[in-house]
Amino acid sequence: NAGVIQTPRHKVTGKGQEATLWCEPISGHSAVFWYRQTIVQGLEFLTYFRNQAPIDDSGMPKERFSAQMPNQSHSTLKIQSTQPQDSAVYLCASTGGANTQYFGPGTRLLVL
Amino acid sequence: GDQVEQSPSALSLHEGTGSALRCNFTTTMRAVQWFQQNSRGSLINLFYLASGTKENGRLKSTFNSKESYSTLHIRDAQLEDSGTYFCAAEGSGGSNYKLTFGKGTLLTVTP
Repeated sequence: NAGVIQTPRHKVTGKGQEATLWCEPISGHSAVFWYRQTIVQGLEFLTYFRNQAPIDDSGMPKERFSAQMPNQSHSTLKIQSTQPQDSAVYLCASTGGANTQYFGPGTRLLVL
Repeated sequence: GDQVEQSPSALSLHEGTGSALRCNFTTTMRAVQWFQQNSRGSLINLFYLASGTKENGRLKSTFNSKESYSTLHIRDAQLEDSGTYFCAAEGSGGSNYKLTFGKGTLLTVTP
C-alpha cells in the first residue's frame, strides 16, 4: 500500500500563473479531502468528494480555486492566477469506510 | 471563534517523562483524530476515536463527546516523539466528515 500519493512535492510558480496539484487516494477509498496548511492559518479544510461526487467545498476560496475528481483514482486541485497568499502546503487525504483520514505528504506551493 | 482549542501550544519534556495534550470543542463533535506531524511535514495517524479511550504503546487518547474534549497522554517520552501534534474533529452534522484542526502542540523531547 503506497499510501496517498501527491504530485508534485514542490512547485514554484510566478504570480498570475496556473498551478495544478494531483492526488491519488489509497486504492479502494471512497472519499478524498483537500486541506492546506500555512503558518498563520494552520490546517484548513478546502473541499471533499465522496464516490467522485463533490460533497462540500465550503473551504474553497470563491475565486481562482477549483477541484475535480474525474475518476476514483485521482483528484486535482487547480489554482488559476496564483497569488503570493496562495503559498502553502496543500494536503490530500483519503478515507474508506472507517472514517480515519490518511494524509499524503503534501505539495509545497510557493508563489513568487 | 475556533471550534477546536488545543493546549498547550508548546511543551518540552525530558526523555522518560510524560504529559498530556488537550483539545476542547466549542460545538458537539462526532469523532476526533490525533496526528503527529514529523520533521518532513507528514501527518502520521495516531488515533481515531468516536468515544472512549484507546491506547497504543506509550500513547493513550480519550474522547468525551458529552463534555466536548479529547486528551492525548504521552508517557516515557523518547527523542523521536518530538514534533507537532494535532487534534482534528469531525462535526456532528449530517454526513459531512471534514476535519477541523486545532492549532497544534509543538513537543520537544530533550535528553
